[in-house]
Amino acid sequence: KNQVEQSPQSLIILEGKNCTLQCNYTVSPFSNLRWYKQDTGRGPVSLTIMTFSENTKSNGRYTATLDADTKQSSLHITASQLSDSASYICVVTGGYNKLIFGAGTRLAVHP
Amino acid sequence: NAGVTQTPKFQVLKTGQSMTLQCAQDMNHEYMSWYRQDPGMGLRLIHYSVGAGITDQGEVPNGYNVSRSTTEDFPLRLLSAAPSQTSVYFCASSPTGYSNQPQHFGDGTRLSIL
Repeated sequence: KNQVEQSPQSLIILEGKNCTLQCNYTVSPFSNLRWYKQDTGRGPVSLTIMTFSENTKSNGRYTATLDADTKQSSLHITASQLSDSASYICVVTGGYNKLIFGAGTRLAVHP
Repeated sequence: NAGVTQTPKFQVLKTGQSMTLQCAQDMNHEYMSWYRQDPGMGLRLIHYSVGAGITDQGEVPNGYNVSRSTTEDFPLRLLSAAPSQTSVYFCASSPTGYSNQPQHFGDGTRLSIL
């Protein structure tokens, strides 16, 4: 069954600290993997997209990695800011352009 | 550009009532879709459209209808609301249906069915 599992479910960090969010998937065939940021009360916004041939992709303080062999991805946030408080959603595209969404990791950055 | 606009932002219905959730985009995108987001679950696709006059079912289409008479608008209709349809509904659009293009999401409609 095609699934996307994210961990942890929630995370609290102090402002200025780094953190890493995990995404494991069992989707096959695999087309690409995207990370979205969803602020409370808003729709998701795309952060990065990676195909199977890409190992890493950065967007400012956000760096995503992909290991297509182990079917794992991570999103690393550097020098966190209060505005990073949000849910982060991992989305994998499988066959026929079907998107499989993870349930998200809820990140809270405290001052 | 306003992007993707959803109305209303909040709605409370009684079981059995019908209503239409509105979605409009001003980016001339061909592909539009509706998702529902429930606690502890990933977004699930309800219906989608690859262009005006063309719609198709997604993962959870039962109890919902859609139409696409123009490129800009993609309304979602609840035929007879049920408590199981309490959810947050998101409309999204992208230039085409290819997954290498990011989807642009609206800010959602929070729907409660009593």
